Amino acid sequence: QVQLVESGGGVVQPGKSLTLSCAASGFTFSSYGIHWVRQAPGKGLEWVALIWYDGSNYYYADSVKGRFTVSRDNSKKTSHLQMNSLRAGDTAVYYCAREGDSSGRADYWGQGTLVTVSS
Amino acid sequence: SYVLTQPPSVSVAPGQSARMTCGGNNIGGKSVHWYQQRPGQAPVLVVFDDTDRPSGIPERFSGSNSGNTATLTISRVEAGDEADYYCQVWDTRSDHVIFGGGTKLTV
Repeated sequence: QVQLVESGGGVVQPGKSLTLSCAASGFTFSSYGIHWVRQAPGKGLEWVALIWYDGSNYYYADSVKGRFTVSRDNSKKTSHLQMNSLRAGDTAVYYCAREGDSSGRADYWGQGTLVTVSS
Repeated sequence: SYVLTQPPSVSVAPGQSARMTCGGNNIGGKSVHWYQQRPGQAPVLVVFDDTDRPSGIPERFSGSNSGNTATLTISRVEAGDEADYYCQVWDTRSDHVIFGGGTKLTV
């Protein structure tokens, strides 16, 4: 069965960096794009980034562009989200999700990892 | 940038139908996807490409999309349907995924 497992969350000081990982299993990882989506406490879903199945293209929300970098290693079936210059407003549960097709839908989601930016 | 507007809340009695709207400029020209998120859980895709259901999603969940409004309808609502529901599109102008603000369904 399709499974996505995020890791790497924790408490980090403002201005610091953190890298999240998303480990995939149960499907041909190299054939699917990966979304990163976050949810601040008590708030709605906010899309963060998308990386294509082969890593050749990536897109970012305006709120994170220039600070976050999405990558993937198809040989390890893993995607990473490197987050730099973190701010209090980046505090959220971060989910990775499989992109179902080019219409942008996310058909399978991980359980998320919590990132807290606080001094 | 493209904006999706959802009512903050919808209430319905068990056994009745719940309709949740998602408004956007000419949204009928886009593919709309809907997610259910129960408290403390990850989102689950319940309708994709306006009207299709993933395997395992009950037929009680249906979608439509025309003009400036997409709609998710849940027939014969059950207590277990109580959750937040989000609509989502891909905006080709910005190459961004756009989520609506979400609707809390109370049963």
